[in-house]
Amino acid sequence: GQQLNQSPQSMFIQEGEDVSMNCTSSSIFNTWLWYKQDPGEGPVLLIALYKAGELTSNGRLTAQFGITRKDSFLNISASIPSDVGIYFCAGPYGGATNKLIFGTGTLLAVQP
Amino acid sequence: GAVVSQHPSWVICKSGTSVKIECRSLDFQATTMFWYRQFPKQSLMLMATSNEGSKATYEQGVEKDKFLINHASLTLSTLTVTSAHPEDSSFYICSATVAGSPLHFGNGTRLTVT
Repeated sequence: GQQLNQSPQSMFIQEGEDVSMNCTSSSIFNTWLWYKQDPGEGPVLLIALYKAGELTSNGRLTAQFGITRKDSFLNISASIPSDVGIYFCAGPYGGATNKLIFGTGTLLAVQP
Repeated sequence: GAVVSQHPSWVICKSGTSVKIECRSLDFQATTMFWYRQFPKQSLMLMATSNEGSKATYEQGVEKDKFLINHASLTLSTLTVTSAHPEDSSFYICSATVAGSPLHFGNGTRLTVT
């Protein structure tokens, strides 16, 4: 079945550093979503991508929809302590627009 | 923006008892809601799709008789974990959709079965 693998699994960085993470799929997706989850809470949508090659920003966050439609990338610039959390990519599957499969997650820790 | 509320945020129950978790869309009508389960240090796994006024659709490997889903109105879906056991302890998260928009998630319910 479909799988979304995220890399790296975890990152420990200093405040102010830039962060890059990616998500790869064994099959094509027509939509890529990036969520952030804080401990004990539900995921919050950061960025939605709908077109191959699309580059979209949300503040210090920038995400790109890979040309092959099998990958996506998320960059965070000038990280701050509140960026700490788990970042998940997600995409629709099973022919349903909002039936999502989630990636394996990237844990981000930011040292002040 | 769209808000999805879950209740309770956490619950502890004894093995063998049943627990009901509510998911409400507060400012929009959700024809479809989704229930996810997340074990510690793992990703979210879809359990079932809840459609208002009809039976839920369960993902492979999810027992429909154990995880009862009711979607009686456009703003409320409930998940009942029947005869809960310690291995059912998990973080249960619902989400709801407004046509044409990405999913909005609730804040989750931490279930601990002792």
